[in-house]
Amino acid sequence: IAGITQAPTSQILAAGRRMTLRCTQDMRHNAMYWYRQDLGLGLRLIHYSNTAGTTGKGEVPDGYSVSRANTDDFPLTLASAVPSQTSVYFCASSEKQGGDTGELFFGEGSRLTVL
Amino acid sequence: GQNIDQPTEMTATEGAIVQINCTYQTSGFNGLFWYQQHAGEAPTFLSYNVLDGLEEKGRFSSFLSRSKGYSYLLLKELQMKDSASYLCAVMDSNYQLIWGAGTKLIIKP
Repeated sequence: IAGITQAPTSQILAAGRRMTLRCTQDMRHNAMYWYRQDLGLGLRLIHYSNTAGTTGKGEVPDGYSVSRANTDDFPLTLASAVPSQTSVYFCASSEKQGGDTGELFFGEGSRLTVL
Repeated sequence: GQNIDQPTEMTATEGAIVQINCTYQTSGFNGLFWYQQHAGEAPTFLSYNVLDGLEEKGRFSSFLSRSKGYSYLLLKELQMKDSASYLCAVMDSNYQLIWGAGTKLIIKP
């Protein structure tokens, strides 16, 4: 079944540790995104990529980095995790940035707890 | 700044109709989206409006007034499975999505 796969589903992490959240899509979508979702707040964009080889900063990029070596994969790295990065992280993709409906397809989310 | 407002929580009865409102102030406008998110799951796309008026899709309809910065999602013949959060999002002039905090809809028998 085509879609987006995120891993891990859930993780408890000690503060100061490095962590990479994996995201893979098989829909050949150009654009990919990382969001965090916190209670009482809307989805906030961390980083995005409009096409393979390019990335951009979203609303809350500090403490996070991404890479887009190919169309399918868009990993998110926390270089040194802090408790404020405790959140649910969603990876998403769209066929193209802007244009048409720009409908987003989301992964199932990664619940990260930083202690 | 950019802002999306929607009620935090609403309650409705199975079989009834409910309207979820969304008001927005953004830098430019390239469309408004509604997504549904069941607890513990990913958001899924419901509707997209870029022109004023009503878009109907089965039991769900979405309305947009660009001059008023206003949209609503109308859910008819409510079913228990409609219990979820409904997220309003606006695509700004840079084609970035600005998200509201979501409206949690509780359906009672």
